[in-house]
Amino acid sequence: GAVVSQHPSWVICKSGTSVKIECRSLDFQATTMFWYRQFPKQSLMLMATSNEGSKATYEQGVEKDKFLINHASLTLSTLTVTSAHPEDSSFYICSASIASGPSTYEQYFGPGTRLTVT
Amino acid sequence: AQSVTQPDIHITVSEGASLELRCNYSYGATPYLFWYVQSPGQGLQLLLKYFSGDTLVQGIKGFEAEFKRSQSSFNLRKPSVHWSDAAEYFCAGNSGGYNKLIFGAGTRLAVHP
Repeated sequence: GAVVSQHPSWVICKSGTSVKIECRSLDFQATTMFWYRQFPKQSLMLMATSNEGSKATYEQGVEKDKFLINHASLTLSTLTVTSAHPEDSSFYICSASIASGPSTYEQYFGPGTRLTVT
Repeated sequence: AQSVTQPDIHITVSEGASLELRCNYSYGATPYLFWYVQSPGQGLQLLLKYFSGDTLVQGIKGFEAEFKRSQSSFNLRKPSVHWSDAAEYFCAGNSGGYNKLIFGAGTRLAVHP
């Protein structure tokens, strides 16, 4: 149980275009989803926290107009990288928390999306 | 400030040897603590977690971790390492009531045959 999927797993886009990444909780309802960015050989950096039906909360230094997050349902959150540039190339990972109980504090991670901007 | 520290960036062990990966935390109260493993190009898989209770926690793949409040540590151990254990290991923590995870820098484990 507690499976999180991401789509696509790998995407290449041209500089200046936008790309959308989907994160889905397949077998549970997630009130909170998280988006992370990971550079090669580095740790995960939290970009934003999204709660279903609410605006996302962005971490300091993350441009909310560039990284648009939508959490329209309890099973789906999307990250849109707008006007992508080569420096946005990275590995993006989402995670989701189960809606209730002690497991609220546990995050289940998706397999990640490799974004390459040319 | 809350933080999670993994002092070892890279560790190499021989297959069959024992393993201990270090993790220290800095929180005002006892945090919830996690160990994750990441294979190249993959997401994170939860190895084990500590919320409260027994300070020795058993996880998957033969891993265990011990919470030591006096040392602010949550070290990961395995008695006999397999070549398939080669990966990146992340320690993470969050405060009760606030579910944002703080990750350590990670420890890359290499296993020699």
